[in-house]
Amino acid sequence: DQQVKQNSPSLSVQEGRISILNCDYTNSMFDYFLWYKKYPAEGPTFLISISSIKDKNEDGRFTVFLNKSAKHLSLHIVPSQPGDSAVYFCAASFSGNTPLVFGKGTRLSVIA
Amino acid sequence: DAGITQSPRHKVTETGTPVTLRCHQTENHRYMYWYRQDPGHGLRLIHYSYGVKDTDKGEVSDGYSVSRSKTEDFLLTLESATSSQTSVYFCAIRDRVRNTEAFFGQGTRLTVV
Repeated sequence: DQQVKQNSPSLSVQEGRISILNCDYTNSMFDYFLWYKKYPAEGPTFLISISSIKDKNEDGRFTVFLNKSAKHLSLHIVPSQPGDSAVYFCAASFSGNTPLVFGKGTRLSVIA
Repeated sequence: DAGITQSPRHKVTETGTPVTLRCHQTENHRYMYWYRQDPGHGLRLIHYSYGVKDTDKGEVSDGYSVSRSKTEDFLLTLESATSSQTSVYFCAIRDRVRNTEAFFGQGTRLTVV
């Protein structure tokens, strides 16, 4: 059973507009959430994270929002740029030896 | 960039042959992971290690074994490769498990024919 779900396999956005990528999780023990970006033929690269004690974390054009009651997080990219076109993975973990659990990914296409 | 090297980067092998993929890190991180990426499945954990000689199974461990005899090296072995193990394999490292990210290698594309 999937613990981390990204229900949108793909998303297309115009350059300059906002991209919103969504992620839901089922395990209430998760206390740390991350977003990774992946280009073809490369390994995933860390983008931004958020601890469960916060509801928002911002880094430049990227903002992650966490809604613990809804078990939902989202990644906002403003403004979107063509170089943002990639697959975005949501991941979650909790304390202990537990590894990161990933969603299936969302392919973002930013159209110029 | 985190010091992670995966080898080989590409490999084609025949069904039934053993295959070993290597992950080497220069960061002295305690935790190491093997994931596979397949279309429609995202990144799935195969095995992981939380120290030298300390390993555990992940979500899709059947048909795979691992070894970690040194902090810097984490080996993934397919004892008898099958076509269902055709995939892209990623190694990741993590310094600690609390509120830290993992860093990924470039990946190994394995094709079993």
